[in-house]
Amino acid sequence: EPEVTQTPSHQVTQMGQEVILRCVPISNHLYFYWYRQILGQKVEFLVSFYNNEISEKSEIFDDQFSVERPDGSNFTLKIRSTKLEDSAMYFCASSEFGTLYEQYFGPGTRLTVT
Amino acid sequence: AQKITQTQPGMFVQEKEAVTLDCTYDTSDQSYGLFWYKQPSSGEMIFLIYQGSYDEQNATEGRYSLNFQKARKSANLVISASQLGDSAMYFCAMREGMNTGNQFYFGTGTSLTVIP
Repeated sequence: EPEVTQTPSHQVTQMGQEVILRCVPISNHLYFYWYRQILGQKVEFLVSFYNNEISEKSEIFDDQFSVERPDGSNFTLKIRSTKLEDSAMYFCASSEFGTLYEQYFGPGTRLTVT
Repeated sequence: AQKITQTQPGMFVQEKEAVTLDCTYDTSDQSYGLFWYKQPSSGEMIFLIYQGSYDEQNATEGRYSLNFQKARKSANLVISASQLGDSAMYFCAMREGMNTGNQFYFGTGTSLTVIP
């Protein structure tokens, strides 16, 4: 069964450093999403992406965040200058155009900012 | 106001019994979708069930059913015949509108523990 994959599974970085989280969505999916989940808290929407541009973003997704689809398979989330409060699990998800019902989530990347 | 409210931070159920996890939502949209996801201790998010706002019948997927009460704006998840592997966090979520690019709103989750 096709699945969303994410790398790395765990990333440790120092405050102020840039990180790039990588995702490979399901191949025939056209909509892509990033979410984050701070430990013990609910999942929060960050951004959705379609046709090489952002469809919607939340107030969390400020100027330090950016997303890119650099090639036909990868979907990346960049955090330019990490802060301690960016420590969280980051989930990538994808959905198929025309499938209105569900998003498929990746296994997540745990980001730890020290 | 919270878009999704889950009032049960933790629930216990005896193995083989049924359990209901509560979820209420807040939206002024006529078109919306309601979802339940399971998050085991390993951390991944697993889609369980979906209910569209225009669906007249309650959604069912195997042992999962969604008790959709539109007037009350509730979308409770019912798990029948609980199994030990059902122990996990359960999140209710909503998407407003029918565009797949719209964001999801998640509740704070309910931790379910199945007791042997």
